[in-house]
Amino acid sequence: DAKTTQPPSMDCAEGRAANLPCNHSTISGNEYVYWYRQIHSQGPQYIIHGLKNNETNEMASLIITEDRKSSTLILPHATLRDTAVYYCIVTYSNYQLIWGAGTKLIIKP
Amino acid sequence: AAGVIQSPRHLIKEKRETATLKCYPIPRHDTVYWYQQGPGQDPQFLISFYEKMQSDKGSIPDRFSAQQFSDYHSELNMSSLELGDSALYFCASSLYGRNQETQYFGPGTRLLVL
Repeated sequence: DAKTTQPPSMDCAEGRAANLPCNHSTISGNEYVYWYRQIHSQGPQYIIHGLKNNETNEMASLIITEDRKSSTLILPHATLRDTAVYYCIVTYSNYQLIWGAGTKLIIKP
Repeated sequence: AAGVIQSPRHLIKEKRETATLKCYPIPRHDTVYWYQQGPGQDPQFLISFYEKMQSDKGSIPDRFSAQQFSDYHSELNMSSLELGDSALYFCASSLYGRNQETQYFGPGTRLLVL
């Protein structure tokens, strides 16, 4: 079973920051938090991942709480093309990805 | 940058037929994963390979088999196809040996079994 809990859906206005939460209270010490997104039936797209520290790349920022029991993916300036299902996945390195239901993010003009 | 290549992109088969899906990983990637995504469902892990050896196995039916070749490409062989096998099949690749392997996905093969 998936080890994460995400809201089933969220809306965000175009140009605003989209903040997607994820709970992973049973995460173990050497499990990473990965974020992927899937735009309607396309291949899942890697966004970002982290272990303990906050991370930022050209697509997004990942904020992980100090106890690592939850995290937030931040898309700083959402565009219509960011409309997708976002998956938060907790996994070991080199291991299969176990997908939960994800959050359907809808960016509105 | 080069991405994961999957072929064919679309495939239509009849029940009880066989199908072969191919996956070409990102250059220098040595690990391949296969996932199945049924209509309206989330992806499910099937099987993975590292250096031509099976490294992990998920919910792959006995009718399916897979292998990884010396050039690291992989093939998923599906026999006695059933209507329920209609799905998107994704391949992902990663580079083993680091502590932060990231799986990068291909565009998928859409299989329709009639």
